[in-house]
Amino acid sequence: AQSVTQLDSQVPVFEEAPVELRCNYSSSVSVYLFWYVQYPNQGLQLLLKYLSGSTLVESINGFEAEFNKSQTSFHLRKPSVHISDTAEYFCAVSVHQAGTALIFGKGTTLSVSS
Amino acid sequence: GAVVSQHPSRVICKSGTSVKIECRSLDFQATTMFWYRQFPKQSLMLMATSNEGSKATYEQGVEKDKFLINHASLTLSTLTVTSAHPEDSSFYICSARPLRAEFLDTQYFGPGTRLTVL
Repeated sequence: AQSVTQLDSQVPVFEEAPVELRCNYSSSVSVYLFWYVQYPNQGLQLLLKYLSGSTLVESINGFEAEFNKSQTSFHLRKPSVHISDTAEYFCAVSVHQAGTALIFGKGTTLSVSS
Repeated sequence: GAVVSQHPSRVICKSGTSVKIECRSLDFQATTMFWYRQFPKQSLMLMATSNEGSKATYEQGVEKDKFLINHASLTLSTLTVTSAHPEDSSFYICSARPLRAEFLDTQYFGPGTRLTVL
């Protein structure tokens, strides 16, 4: 069975500061890794994903995540956050098999203030 | 882009009544739809997987007679909470996997339905 642990439930930061949201996973088989973002009163949106290839993946709005197989981690980073980045962030995994659902972590609330 | 809608967005009902939640893929066909439940400050927990034209597969601990899932077409899945009780109050989210997708892992999420049972 797979599991996902998001180590921080809440991360408060000031605008333009860097941020890292931590995610560790457990699985006996190969997995795909995802970060989803949920803005207030909205549905989940895919932020970025790792399927294979380069271990560093980037999103269009400046976030990046690095897959580290030895540490079973997929931490999300952004060098300079904006107020608009305030949201709930979920790390998720799925196994390499068609039709499987996502397994989510408990989420991290990122609060950016000025 | 691919859009998934849910209706209603919010529903309040009395204990003992049944509530139906619809999940629609608006601009694509979905072979598989997933239903999740999210408690406050908690993660999304998978309830069931539904494939068009076949019975849903429920996760362990989810009562299939209480949470009825129907996936009658490639664009619509419904979740009916029967004989709802206050402990069923939650945020219900669906996701849809396209019939044709660049990657098998692709899922699009609906905005969720907030159910409150009084």
